[in-house]
Amino acid sequence: GEDVEQSLFLSVREGDSSVINCTYTDSSSTYLYWYKQEPGAGLQLLTYIFSNMDMKQDQRLTVLLNKKDKHLSLRIADTQTGDSAIYFCAEKSAGNMLTFGGGTRLMVKP
Amino acid sequence: GAVVSQHPSRVICKSGTSVKIECRSLDFQATTMFWYRQFPKQSLMLMATSNEGSKATYEQGVEKDKFLINHASLTLSTLTVTSAHPEDSSFYICSAFSGRRTDTQYFGPGTRLTVL
Repeated sequence: GEDVEQSLFLSVREGDSSVINCTYTDSSSTYLYWYKQEPGAGLQLLTYIFSNMDMKQDQRLTVLLNKKDKHLSLRIADTQTGDSAIYFCAEKSAGNMLTFGGGTRLMVKP
Repeated sequence: GAVVSQHPSRVICKSGTSVKIECRSLDFQATTMFWYRQFPKQSLMLMATSNEGSKATYEQGVEKDKFLINHASLTLSTLTVTSAHPEDSSFYICSAFSGRRTDTQYFGPGTRLTVL
């Protein structure tokens, strides 16, 4: 079955760039997503990338996709304390179901 | 973007009681909705897929008689946790997939269930 993996924790200083990495196994994935979850809240869609794209930029967010290595990354430029949250990558497989990674907790130090 | 709401946001109940959680798509029709549960500091685990007008599809290991799902309209799906026990305490999140868009699921804010 599908498997999506992320590192558990990332700590950066305010103003630095954050890079959160994700690997997946399903080569038939059509879309890959990044979601943000703040404490006690639901998931907020940050951005997504179609599988035939290599890169997508949206303001401070840059998504890179290496389909050959099945590697997805999210770069947050000029990271702010409000970016502290858990970030989930997810892949869309057959039946429109999402398979989530375990989440990366981003801590931004002032 | 599209909005999905959940009600209630938080519920505390006694062991043995049943709890109903509602998931509504507010500005679009949701042909498919998904129910997830999330334990503390863990990822989301898909429980079931809810299709309007038909029976829900449950993931392996999820008891369909315990977690009753009803998707009676294109804007509402309900999850009823029957005879709740403390181990059912969790964060339940729904998401809605709009048939018009094939690329995005919209998530509700979640419902925290605590069973005493």
